[in-house]
Amino acid sequence: GQNIDQPTEMTATEGAIVQINCTYQTSGFNGLFWYQQHAGEAPTFLSYNVLDGLEEKGRFSSFLSRSKGYSYLLLKELQMKDSASYLCAVREGNTDKLIFGTGTRLQVFP
Amino acid sequence: EAGVAQSPRYKIIEKRQSVAFWCNPISGHATLYWYQQILGQGPKLLIQFQNNGVVDDSQLPKDRFSAERLKGVDSTLKIQPAKLEDSAVYLCASSSPRDGRNEKLFFGSGTQLSVL
Repeated sequence: GQNIDQPTEMTATEGAIVQINCTYQTSGFNGLFWYQQHAGEAPTFLSYNVLDGLEEKGRFSSFLSRSKGYSYLLLKELQMKDSASYLCAVREGNTDKLIFGTGTRLQVFP
Repeated sequence: EAGVAQSPRYKIIEKRQSVAFWCNPISGHATLYWYQQILGQGPKLLIQFQNNGVVDDSQLPKDRFSAERLKGVDSTLKIQPAKLEDSAVYLCASSSPRDGRNEKLFFGSGTQLSVL
């Protein structure tokens, strides 16, 4: 079966750091994606991990541990505009299908 | 570069009516996806096309949903007849297999469907 788990909601303060976790169980593994989705808008690509370790891109970093079926998205120096849903998605190895988690709604407060 | 175009942006219909959504992917993208996103949930894949062929439609409710991509470019998704539980945002996305394993999806703005 396939299962992707993320916290439903998180809150944080402007300027702080927040870590959004994602655990997954899928039929094979061919990469993990993080997408950002502002309310009423389309998801936009943030990051991609296929090997273990940390990928850094400006204020955003994403980490992957394939043996633990675990990833996190780290957001530093939070800004109000970072208030959005963050979707974890796994590309299954057997089917190449991209399966999305339910998303984590992040609210950043001043 | 133009993004993925979708229309209409919003649609309100009554149950048992039919509705159609249109999508034009990014030029040159061979793969096209239709996702259904119910409020508070992640996108769920309905159907995936590679050029004009169907790659995966295992989660498409075929008794009421249909999709086509006749010339391998734009696509339409139809629901007939609609049910209350079809109320959702329908997202179209496209990607290029030439990106390899890093093949990321580019999404359109979606069509928000309300079935009353």
